[in-house]
Amino acid sequence: EAAVTQSPRNKVTVTGGNVTLSCRQTNSHNYMYWYRQDTGHGLRLIHYSYGAGNLQIGDVPDGYKATRTTQEDFFLLLELASPSQTSLYFCASRDWGGSETLYFGSGTRLTVL
Amino acid sequence: GQQVQQSPASLVLQEGENAELQCNFSTSLNSMQWFYQRPGGSLVSLFYNPSGTKHSGRLTSTTVIKERRSSLHISSSQTTDSGTYLCAPDTNAYKVIFGKGTHLHVLP
Repeated sequence: EAAVTQSPRNKVTVTGGNVTLSCRQTNSHNYMYWYRQDTGHGLRLIHYSYGAGNLQIGDVPDGYKATRTTQEDFFLLLELASPSQTSLYFCASRDWGGSETLYFGSGTRLTVL
Repeated sequence: GQQVQQSPASLVLQEGENAELQCNFSTSLNSMQWFYQRPGGSLVSLFYNPSGTKHSGRLTSTTVIKERRSSLHISSSQTTDSGTYLCAPDTNAYKVIFGKGTHLHVLP
């Protein structure tokens, strides 16, 4: 079973604060994804990457930066957090051409006051 | 843009009843993924189904690629089946998008 670890599990910050969400996968998957989940919207794709140094824009990228530093690590950055970014964030990874299913982390609940 | 439509949006069952969940996609796809989200939030993969019918216990997934749709059948529902069921079409693009989900509540 592929392992995807997110940290922190919970985070509270204030408007204008800096937040970094971390995601690590230990199965050398090519693809990694960041989603946010809000009531009434389901899972929405923020950014994704197909390898170290690569970044692709998702469907709701405004206010978010992301960086894939290694095959294993994918970070989501909120440089000026706003209350509208209060959400449950999920990271996922996938080995395109392998099992082809997505593996999810446990999620990070972010509250912006 | 691409759209994923799931129906029904919510469903309430009595324990023992069956359920049929639908997922439709607006453009061509290679396969359909189904996920279950526990009330606590964690997500698990149920099926990766490129075509035809797949079974896993009381769950059955049927995908018809030409019609851009997939269904998830739950037989003899149990209270532990309560949660959200999400579908995600697999396309030639590498981005993976989801439907809004079907929220299932099974009553004892």
